[in-house]
Amino acid sequence: DIQMTQSPSSLSASVGDRVTITCRASQDINHYLAWFQQKPGKAPKSLIYAASSLQSGVPSKFSGSGSGTDFTLTISSLQPEDFATYYCQQYISYPRSFGQGTKLEIK
Amino acid sequence: EVQLVESGGGLVQPGGSLRLSCAASGFTFRSYWMSWVRQAPGKGLEWVANIKLDGTEKFYVDSVKGRFTISRDNAKNSLYLQMNSLRAEDTAVYFCARGCSPPCSPWFDFDYWGQGTLVTVSS
Repeated sequence: DIQMTQSPSSLSASVGDRVTITCRASQDINHYLAWFQQKPGKAPKSLIYAASSLQSGVPSKFSGSGSGTDFTLTISSLQPEDFATYYCQQYISYPRSFGQGTKLEIK
Repeated sequence: EVQLVESGGGLVQPGGSLRLSCAASGFTFRSYWMSWVRQAPGKGLEWVANIKLDGTEKFYVDSVKGRFTISRDNAKNSLYLQMNSLRAEDTAVYFCARGCSPPCSPWFDFDYWGQGTLVTVSS
């Protein structure tokens, strides 16, 4: 099974900042990597698929990059609504697996 | 507008059964892969199962194999998860999620998500 590891587990930032979250796969997953945002008590929201493609309606302040085992999610110009938990997910093989999450908090 | 509405959650004793439903609207349900993803209280996301457009292919996480069954009724625009032999560790919010409508290039597993239904396994 493929293990997904995110870093950091939590992150404090200020409105207007640019932040980067990292996701590492335990083996090569090519570009089969997605990112999700989740706010407390809400369903996840799909942000990015295929490592760098934005889901429909997702603002361009979100960007993804990487291939193989190392991936990043970058959020530019943080706004209050961006403070949430972010998850990566691999979908090259079964069982599908998520990272443990990165909680982005307001400094 | 794409909508996914889960139902069927509740409190069940260990060893019991529950059937979750997900009513889909706003898209051609029969043309999409569908999935169940769960989230234990205070924990991260865990993929549970997914099913092909016509139901001919199904995949499960090891921890539910032999106990859970994913199915769909394309005539009713509905996705189901039959959960048997429930354990305390199955306690979670269960989300249904829409996937790709093939051919997809590039592929993805989830775009739209329902709001979830809570399953609590406890005596």
